[in-house]
Amino acid sequence: TQLLEQSPQFLSIQEGENLTVYCNSSSVFSSLQWYRQEPGEGPVLLVTVVTGGEVKKLKRLTFQFGDARKDSSLHITAAQPGDTGLYLCAGARRETSYDKVIFGPGTSLSVIP
Amino acid sequence: GAGVSQSPSNKVTEKGKDVELRCDPISGHTALYWYRQSLGQGLEFLIYFQGNSAPDKSGLPSDRFSAERTGGSVSTLTIQRTQQEDSAVYLCASSPSSYTGGNTIYFGEGSWLTVV
Repeated sequence: TQLLEQSPQFLSIQEGENLTVYCNSSSVFSSLQWYRQEPGEGPVLLVTVVTGGEVKKLKRLTFQFGDARKDSSLHITAAQPGDTGLYLCAGARRETSYDKVIFGPGTSLSVIP
Repeated sequence: GAGVSQSPSNKVTEKGKDVELRCDPISGHTALYWYRQSLGQGLEFLIYFQGNSAPDKSGLPSDRFSAERTGGSVSTLTIQRTQQEDSAVYLCASSPSSYTGGNTIYFGEGSWLTVV
């Protein structure tokens, strides 16, 4: 069973368009992270959200953590070809002595010039 | 180097052979994670180390998989009697803390394993 779902799975858009990627779960997380991964490389952390309802902005990227800390969204304004990549959300579940980080299946974004 | 280092970057092995994958985390990072990623997919949790101990081995797919960490630093993931379904990218990550709230998890570039 997939603890974290992401939608859409694939997205191909024109440069300049806006887009939103969703990350959903039935589980509550202590924090949620978004990563971007490019071919042949490891994922790179974009943001961590901790508080329910929290909104964080990173240039043209806006991240929101759901009030119940079960879901999150990533909105990109005026997408650029450099935004192309695999976007992964990851939920941290508090275990006894550490945060277990579980990843979603990813959204593959292609921005066409 | 300053980042998480993994070796080999690519490994082609014959079915039934054993392989060892190495991870050199960022100096001083106590938390170390191993994940597996199939082509175009998300990351599958394998094992977590805190120092030299592994409080969570729940993601190891079978008893053919084992991992150790020595000196609170370098970790080795061993796959015995490899099968074709073991083909994937094996990613290692480290973090200065066991908790993610204010900390970043840093990933290596992965070891791409192909079993033929």
